[in-house]
Amino acid sequence: DADVTQTPRNRITKTGKRIMLECSQTKGHDRMYWYRQDPGLGLRLIYYSFDVKDINKGEISDGYSVSRQAQAKFSLSLESAIPNQTALYFCATSAGGAILVTDTQYFGPGTRLTVL
Amino acid sequence: GENVEQHPSTLSVQEGDSAVIKCTYSDSASNYFPWYKQELGKRPQLIIDIRSNVGEKKDQRIAVTLNKTAKHFSLHITETQPEDSAVYFCAASIRAAGNKLTFGGGTRVLVKP
Repeated sequence: DADVTQTPRNRITKTGKRIMLECSQTKGHDRMYWYRQDPGLGLRLIYYSFDVKDINKGEISDGYSVSRQAQAKFSLSLESAIPNQTALYFCATSAGGAILVTDTQYFGPGTRLTVL
Repeated sequence: GENVEQHPSTLSVQEGDSAVIKCTYSDSASNYFPWYKQELGKRPQLIIDIRSNVGEKKDQRIAVTLNKTAKHFSLHITETQPEDSAVYFCAASIRAAGNKLTFGGGTRVLVKP
């Protein structure tokens, strides 16, 4: 789904480095999410945002922070990367708001992050 | 919080046979249950979903059933084809609580020609 994009697509970094993953969407959705995927564990929610002024922790937020710069942009930061943060990271969006709320989440292509 | 268990973790079927994946959830307040398909190297994509006011939903060769009393739901794929080979994820959420999805661990389905 080209409406949700993520940069970079692949990143190798070293322990202790700060890194930012970016997500942009042209779907006009209010709600944005960051997930982490590890083999056998499915996708786990890191942070989510229902609008620019609303940021919420998910089930595994420790070691991560986020910024919702605009309705269309939601960034995930690792302040000091560690090897067990090596994973595939997905951004997702869904429609929300006062008038229309739909359930479907649309995922970006993912960012493969390796922390050495 | 919500916990979703998914079984089996891998499933191998002969082309044309049926495949069934089962999930259980822990939070009785959950009322939305989507299924996502993830092909190798691709993003997860919604294939079907069901809400708690419905017991079964079909879309061509795929169907989902929900048993609220037992807190489990299942994905059924009939007449499997090679292109059905992928990882399938179930998930559960409470729509009024922002629809935060809790995913199962995934099932890798291999359809053998």
